[in-house]
Amino acid sequence: AQKVTQAQTEISVVEKEDVTLDCVYETRDTTYYLFWYKQPPSGELVFLIRRNSFDEQNEISGRYSWNFQKSTSSFNFTITASQVVDSAVYFCALSERVGGSGAGSYQLTFGKGTKLSVIP
Amino acid sequence: DTGVSQDPRHKITKRGQNVTFRCDPISEHNRLYWYRQTLGQGPEFLTYFQNEAQLEKSRLLSDRFSAERPKGSFSTLEIQRTEQGDSAMYLCASSLIVAGDAFFGQGTRLTVV
Repeated sequence: AQKVTQAQTEISVVEKEDVTLDCVYETRDTTYYLFWYKQPPSGELVFLIRRNSFDEQNEISGRYSWNFQKSTSSFNFTITASQVVDSAVYFCALSERVGGSGAGSYQLTFGKGTKLSVIP
Repeated sequence: DTGVSQDPRHKITKRGQNVTFRCDPISEHNRLYWYRQTLGQGPEFLTYFQNEAQLEKSRLLSDRFSAERPKGSFSTLEIQRTEQGDSAMYLCASSLIVAGDAFFGQGTRLTVV
């Protein structure tokens, strides 16, 4: 069964500090997808990134960067020069093909989330 | 509107009552998902539609829950005889590509009193 672990429940940083959110996953499939979502207080889950299991290149998008390492089953997320607007709960999620109906579904398995507070 | 829309945003109901939520996915997205999120937890998968066909149901979806997507566009989630344990945020997501990039709505927060 697939599983996602976000060991950090809450993190507080001072504005402009860098912060890394950890994500460790378990899956038996060789083809899977990893995601990060941001959930601000308004409640909506905001899609940040999707990576497939065959692409281990790290990615940078502005102040955000992601480090995918299959050897350690980790997909960590770093925010550089954090800002107050980054305060939210961040979820890591894993998707693999389940079910035999047609193409199967790619239901997401989420971690419990990491609450990030950026203090001005 | 280009996002996933859910209605209502908040619902307070008495235990034992029936409630129905609506989700309007991003147009042309053929896949629609329902998730449930309780306080301090990540969302948990409930069910999934491809067009109008309901293809997967989680064991979390008891007999009191029913979901439909009659014309392959909007979807409804009904909970009958609500219980306090049903209090949660109900999230809808839609996707076009097989593997996701699932886009979520703002959710319906249900409180059963």
